[in-house]
Amino acid sequence: QKEVEQDPGPLSVPEGAIVSLNCTYSNSAFQYFMWYRQYSRKGPELLMYTYSSGNKEDGRFTAQVDKSSKYISLFIRDSQPSDSATYLCAMSSPSGGYQKVTFGTGTKLQVIP
Amino acid sequence: GAVVSQHPSWVICKSGTSVKIECRSLDFQATTMFWYRQFPKQSLMLMATSNEGSKATYEQGVEKDKFLINHASLTLSTLTVTSAHPEDSSFYICSASTRGVTGELFFGEGSRLTVL
Repeated sequence: QKEVEQDPGPLSVPEGAIVSLNCTYSNSAFQYFMWYRQYSRKGPELLMYTYSSGNKEDGRFTAQVDKSSKYISLFIRDSQPSDSATYLCAMSSPSGGYQKVTFGTGTKLQVIP
Repeated sequence: GAVVSQHPSWVICKSGTSVKIECRSLDFQATTMFWYRQFPKQSLMLMATSNEGSKATYEQGVEKDKFLINHASLTLSTLTVTSAHPEDSSFYICSASTRGVTGELFFGEGSRLTVL
């Protein structure tokens, strides 16, 4: 079993829709939870960074963490064609003085105008 | 967010040659840098972790003599793919972490290596 499970998609939605992206994990040692957006042939860009269970909102993006269920989500409101990208969830745990990050496989999102 | 620059963004080389990729943190000091490899439609796979002034720590299955990592300063880490072969063709991405900011990584733009 992978430490982090993420549905690879692809996920196609019409412009303006609410998008829900999810990851599950098995490692209880994960402390920090991140969502990255990656455009084709580019490096990942950090979108959201959370520590505790609950919701964190930033503009059209809301990150949700449920540590008891080992489940995290990213919601995108009023989705735009420019949101079309691959979304990677990531989680980190302490390792030798730094945080070691484990990534999900990424979900490819396409927002159709 | 902090800026990480990676160079070159795209390189094509002949089989048997060595290729060096640079990763620079432009506006912060990166005590730790990470090197990832990403195959098409797959996630990032951590290859190694480098701390300034010390030897890199390689993940299981990554050949340290094949992928030489040097982290000579707080703003620069290099990855050298030695005697490259076509199977080394991939997208290599570096990231950097700042002291005291746990878990938050800033990524370079990636370097696409094609070995002919």
